[in-house]
Amino acid sequence: DAKTTQPNSMESNEEEPVHLPCNHSTISGTDYIHWYRQLPSQGPEYVIHGLTSNVNNRMASLAIAEDRKSSTLILHRATLRDAAVYYCILVIQGAQKLVFGQGTRLTINP
Amino acid sequence: DAGITQSPRHKVTETGTPVTLRCHQTENHRYMYWYRQDPGHGLRLIHYSYGVKDTDKGEVSDGYSVSRSKTEDFLLTLESATSSQTSVYFCAIRRDRNTEAFFGQGTRLTVV
Repeated sequence: DAKTTQPNSMESNEEEPVHLPCNHSTISGTDYIHWYRQLPSQGPEYVIHGLTSNVNNRMASLAIAEDRKSSTLILHRATLRDAAVYYCILVIQGAQKLVFGQGTRLTINP
Repeated sequence: DAGITQSPRHKVTETGTPVTLRCHQTENHRYMYWYRQDPGHGLRLIHYSYGVKDTDKGEVSDGYSVSRSKTEDFLLTLESATSSQTSVYFCAIRRDRNTEAFFGQGTRLTVV
């Protein structure tokens, strides 16, 4: 399974944008980039995914580098409820498994 | 919220006893997964299913078995529970191989 690298932890302030990086230098052309987050004492929840182009939804934006070796999850205006562990994973197109790494623990300061 | 229910939500059992955890979905999704989560290890895939009676192993399948006799239910069995299987177990579902996953709320299992 293709691997991703994320910082162990990040900190930001409420109402400011947050940029969560993810490196995936071994990505292949058909691997999708998925982001999930896990709030305290809850199961993970889907945030966003993309292949080549930048993607936006109601929760976040995903910026994908031109060479696809890295991506950034953007929370445009963080709230305290965005404090969670964020997982960046690569999903081979058509793959049956979803394999998670350690993720980034995001702390939001009031 | 995706229709996915795990039961029980909490269980305490003794070493050596069999334990079965249930994952039930109302979405008619083809793929179902079992993960465990432990401090310092993140989410690790135990087993997954890609259809009725079709299952395969994940990263940490030793000591676990699964069954899927109908689309909506995916059972995880610990044949003889050990203290190392104390963990939080999450079930997930996916409609097909190119879609996102939805997770249940988890089952906290303690083996004493």
